[in-house]
Amino acid sequence: DGGITQSPKYLFRKEGQNVTLSCEQNLNHDAMYWYRQDPGQGLRLIYYSQIVNDFQKGDIAEGYSVSREKKESFPLTVTSAQKNPTAFYLCASSSNRAGEQYFGPGTRLTVT
Amino acid sequence: QKEVEQDPGPLSVPEGAIVSLNCTYSNSAFQYFMWYRQYSRKGPELLMYTYSSGNKEDGRFTAQVDKSSKYISLFIRDSQPSDSATYLCAMSASGGTSYGKLTFGQGTILTVHP
Repeated sequence: DGGITQSPKYLFRKEGQNVTLSCEQNLNHDAMYWYRQDPGQGLRLIYYSQIVNDFQKGDIAEGYSVSREKKESFPLTVTSAQKNPTAFYLCASSSNRAGEQYFGPGTRLTVT
Repeated sequence: QKEVEQDPGPLSVPEGAIVSLNCTYSNSAFQYFMWYRQYSRKGPELLMYTYSSGNKEDGRFTAQVDKSSKYISLFIRDSQPSDSATYLCAMSASGGTSYGKLTFGQGTILTVHP
């Protein structure tokens, strides 16, 4: 089946620890995106990548880092510098400039 | 002021009702308009995709775009309890360095009662 997978579904971490969220796609899409969703809010763009070995900051990149070493993979690291890391994190991919994006199931991160 | 404004609701309707969901936007460069449906604790699912102004129909769903008013709508006919979800509008500009960056509304929570 083609699609986007994110793991784990739930993640719990202590404050001060870095954590890496996985995102894999087998849709052969060039572009991949990371969003953050907080209760009652829409999606906010963290980072995006148009092509392997290249990525750009989104609207709320501070405290996050990414890599794009393979076309199918775009992991997100939430660092200890992120002040409010508890949120629902969504990964998406797209094959075109028109913005038609397809989302994974999400990872709910809780930091205490 | 946000680039995309969406009434968060919540919106509660009886089964069989016609539902109207709306978004307004301020960026005249937006050319592509989407509606996503998101069930609780799940990723958003692309529901409708429209380019520029006009209407698009898919089963019980109709998307309308009025670029002159910077206003988009999603209509759901004969609403069902399974339509209960959060509906997110999203839009993007064409060209430039944005490469399909989407700007989202905050989502409208819809509940359809049996």
